[in-house]
Amino acid sequence: ETGVTQSPTHLIKTRGQQVTLRCSSQSGHNTVSWYQQALGQGPQFIFQYYREEENGRGNFPPRFSGLQFPNYSSELNVNALELDDSALYLCASSPGTRGRDEQFFGPGTRLTVL
Amino acid sequence: AQTVTQSQPEMSVQEAETVTLSCTYDTSESDYYLFWYKQPPSRQMILVIRQEAYKQQNATENRFSVNFQKAAKSFSLKISDSQLGDAAMYFCAYRPGLTFGTGTRLQVTL
Repeated sequence: ETGVTQSPTHLIKTRGQQVTLRCSSQSGHNTVSWYQQALGQGPQFIFQYYREEENGRGNFPPRFSGLQFPNYSSELNVNALELDDSALYLCASSPGTRGRDEQFFGPGTRLTVL
Repeated sequence: AQTVTQSQPEMSVQEAETVTLSCTYDTSESDYYLFWYKQPPSRQMILVIRQEAYKQQNATENRFSVNFQKAAKSFSLKISDSQLGDAAMYFCAYRPGLTFGTGTRLQVTL
């Protein structure tokens, strides 16, 4: 059974650019959630996708957008990058959206915005 | 909105000793789940233990146990027989929505 994978591991961008981060969910999981973790902080919920539809969103501006594909992998897109977007971006997959459905996290993508 | 508070930025414990990490939360929901996650320097978030709010019995997983006080909205993690591999950031989290606290860095000394 393959766990949650994320690519790339590290990324450096400049302010104003756009970035796409990718996540492959664990086999059998139809739900993917994305989190932003600033240095020294806990993860902040960005949004969740369930069966290719956005199923919940945190307090992030519209320039944070996502997709989920038929194989349940997912992308996080961030437009017009700002310095404060520098963070670790975590993806988590789960077998559903119920509270008891455990979320399995990937290793994260470290984004640096210069 | 739900909030999760971890008031201990750092804790230290000697190997083989016991340590308790604190967490409080605020919610108006009656049905929810609470979690403790461990994040080692490798960055991968690992589930340590979870508690269903409707269950009065405290969850245990080997050396890890919780003290869940629903009325007080408190959810502490006890680590017994601490090991060097337990050193990590520990996050308390609330679901639905998966709201995380700010974390407690646990150091384990010889």
